[in-house]
Amino acid sequence: EVQLLESGGGLAEPGGSLRLSCAASGFTFTTEAMGWVRQAPGKGLEWVSDISGSGSGSYYGDSVKGRFTISRDNSKNRLFLQMNSLRVDDTAVYYCAKVEVRRLNFNYYYVDVWGNGTTVTVSS
Amino acid sequence: SSELTQAPSVSVSPGQTARITCSGEALAKTYTYWYQQKSGQAPVLVIYEDNKRPSGIPERFSGSTSGTMATLTISGAQVADEGDFYCFSTDITGNHRVFGGGTKLTVL
Repeated sequence: EVQLLESGGGLAEPGGSLRLSCAASGFTFTTEAMGWVRQAPGKGLEWVSDISGSGSGSYYGDSVKGRFTISRDNSKNRLFLQMNSLRVDDTAVYYCAKVEVRRLNFNYYYVDVWGNGTTVTVSS
Repeated sequence: SSELTQAPSVSVSPGQTARITCSGEALAKTYTYWYQQKSGQAPVLVIYEDNKRPSGIPERFSGSTSGTMATLTISGAQVADEGDFYCFSTDITGNHRVFGGGTKLTVL
């Protein structure tokens, strides 16, 4: 069974940093793209970032580009999200995601398995 | 354009057919994916590549597209189907991952 378990959420001040971690199991981690999707309180879903299986390629949503960094440790089946220069509007539940990649007429990246999420609150 | 537009809410009676739409310029050329999110839970993929159902998703869930609009249809909706539904795709450049704003389905 595929399992994704997030950790590292909590309270941070504006301008501060947090590092999220996701422990993956039940599949061959090194061959799968992974990502993060967030959901602000009472709001919809927002794609934050994703990374290729090898870690050589990554994508960031416009709202986090330059502030967040995604990485992975394939030896430990772990995914990370380093969040710097945090803003109040980064407050959200952050979901770890297993990302399926389909190269069709376009390259499609979509979530096929979700973690249960970890809550990040940015407030002074 | 990278926007996907959904109606905020849809309401049907149990046993009726619920139709949830998603519109966007890119959908004329890109595939649509649909997620269901029940209250307090993580989302679940219910339709991928316009009209394919992942294993374990009931047959009453189906997807279709026409031009710039995608539709998720729930035939014989049940109270257990209530939740928020999000469409998802790539933008016309293939460079951005985009969610629709979500539609709250009420079955009562």
